[in-house]
Parts: sequence; structure tokens; C-alpha cells
Amino acid sequence: GAGVSQSPSNKVTEKGKDVELRCDPISGHTALYWYRQSLGQGLEFLIYFQGNSAPDKSGLPSDRFSAERTGGSVSTLTIQRTQQEDSAVYLCASSLPGGSGNTIYFGEGSWLTVV
Amino acid sequence: AQSVTQLGSHVSVSEGALVLLRCNYSSSVPPYLFWYVQYPNQGLQLLLKYTTGATLVKGINGFEAEFKKSETSFHLTKPSAHMSDAAEYFCAVTLRDTGRRALTFGSGTRLQVQP
Repeated sequence: GAGVSQSPSNKVTEKGKDVELRCDPISGHTALYWYRQSLGQGLEFLIYFQGNSAPDKSGLPSDRFSAERTGGSVSTLTIQRTQQEDSAVYLCASSLPGGSGNTIYFGEGSWLTVV
Repeated sequence: AQSVTQLGSHVSVSEGALVLLRCNYSSSVPPYLFWYVQYPNQGLQLLLKYTTGATLVKGINGFEAEFKKSETSFHLTKPSAHMSDAAEYFCAVTLRDTGRRALTFGSGTRLQVQP
């Protein structure tokens, strides 16, 4: 596709359930990022993948959060045993390989509500 | 480490008036600087970025920003506001030539444009 695609666009889940959020980056973009946007917390970096290198997981808030990227393309962010404070918009982004000045392109986000 | 401070969580201007959104950064090494805009219920869109070269950067929709190293600032301006400029604006920084490519965002400034 032309842009970063995320699914689902909206998800309501019960507290304690697991959720999976999917991201399909722009074709040819080897760098992929997950961010979380919530009221009062702004935009928080979660995890960064670059090609076959070990991911930068330094932003994951707890061990309930994990992400994988299969085949260097699609990524899945998994939240286990969801809590109400996990309610937020989860934004995926991608960029071309190269220096850190490359533009990062964002998807429209997955809105997660934990009830 | 790097950080971004956006002064003013809300800014209101009249249509046709100057828009000035403030951004100051803290960085241990020369940064790359970005402004993103987020319209309601949408993802983030790049307005402009500074990487190297001219310190006055022009972006989309008539916006521009000037990198001032002595003031550690990257303020966003537009000479004449349009109603369509109403959105949330995020300043972001990343460090050049480092392995950490993820953006660090400011807390955002919501711009209101009054008729």
C-alpha cells in the first residue's frame, strides 16, 4: 500500500484479555517503530526494529508488552493481560534504512479501549 | 539523552494571524529536528525537518521553522493562519549518527484558529 497500514483501527477488550495489533509498513522500509499515545503521557516510544538487527525494546513499559516482526515486514504488538491503563492509541511508523534524519511515516493508529 | 519542550499546550489565534509554536530541545550531540501535525482521528504527518544545511526550513502548508543552535530552539511559524490549520502539532528530536533512531516527542501544542 501507499502508507503504513494498521489493524484493527478500533479495539475494545475486557481487562485481563490479550490483544494483538498489526502493522504493515511502507514497502521497502526496513525500520519500523511502535509508539503509544495517551492522554497525559503524550507520545511514548515503545520499540524499534531495523532489518535483522536486535530490536530496541527500551520503551516497552512492562513484560506484558511484546512485539515481533516477521520476514522483515509486518509487525505485531501483543499486550497480555490488558489493564485499563493500557487504553491508548498505538501508532506504528516506518522509515527507509540509513541515517536518523530519514522521515518517519506514521499509520493512523489502533485505538485500544480496555474496559 | 535528548528531550523536547513545547511551551503552551494550547494556542489560539485568529484566522489570518501569525502562528508561532515554540519548541526547545536538549541534546548531548547535534540533533535532527522535526515538526509533525496530527489532525483529529488521524496519524502524524511530517510538516518539515532540519537535518543539515540551511537553518530556515520550509515545509508543507506554508509552515516554516528555524533551527537556532544558540537558543536550542526550533520554533514553528506560519504568517497567516487558516481554519484548516487547527490541529495538534508535535516537535520531535532524534540524535544524528547514533544507533538510536526513534524520535523523542514533545507533549504537543493544540492550535485553535478562530474565525
